[in-house]
Amino acid sequence: GDSVTQMEGPVTLSEEAFLTINCTYTATGYPSLFWYVQYPGEGLQLLLKATKADDKGSNKGFEATYRKETTSFHLEKGSVQVSDSAVYFCALSWASSASKIIFGSGTRLSIRP
Amino acid sequence: KAGVTQTPRYLIKTRGQQVTLSCSPISGHRSVSWYQQTPGQGLQFLFEYFSETQRNKGNFPGRFSGRQFSNSRSEMNVSTLELGDSALYLCASSYGGEGTGELFFGEGSRLTVL
Repeated sequence: GDSVTQMEGPVTLSEEAFLTINCTYTATGYPSLFWYVQYPGEGLQLLLKATKADDKGSNKGFEATYRKETTSFHLEKGSVQVSDSAVYFCALSWASSASKIIFGSGTRLSIRP
Repeated sequence: KAGVTQTPRYLIKTRGQQVTLSCSPISGHRSVSWYQQTPGQGLQFLFEYFSETQRNKGNFPGRFSGRQFSNSRSEMNVSTLELGDSALYLCASSYGGEGTGELFFGEGSRLTVL
């Protein structure tokens, strides 16, 4: 079945460091891909999305590119801030059942001042 | 506008009891989905309701059920609670059209089963 695999955490970086969180998926066809973020004490929020191959999603300085050839959707940010500390989830869904999202296991990110 | 509201935020039950959780979606949203979040299994889809009808269902036993009212508010019920049902239950709402993909999540109801 469909699945999402993302790098295990926790990931600890210093402020202004470059961030990459790897995500790969297994699915037949072209699902929509997402990154959701869960800040401490808050609900999940959509960070960015891409709906077709080679699309780039971006938001708040984060970017991810839908790579069909490598079935990947890696999250990157050039310079992280303490406020980026959160748990990040890679996910996929299909247009026909958009609310049925398959999530990765989550990656906890901690940024040191 | 107000976000997704879940009640109660925390609750403690004992094995064998049942529990009902409530979710009020964002105004105008007709789809409500429920997810279970645990350290071991991560985030798993329970079911989705749209216009008072269950539209999608995950792989959970029949002890997990839900319903949606005409005002789009939703409830989920877990009967005969087991220790493994301890989890954060998240509700999410959306307009419900195909292909949107963006869900708006509440802060969750944390259930502890003793």
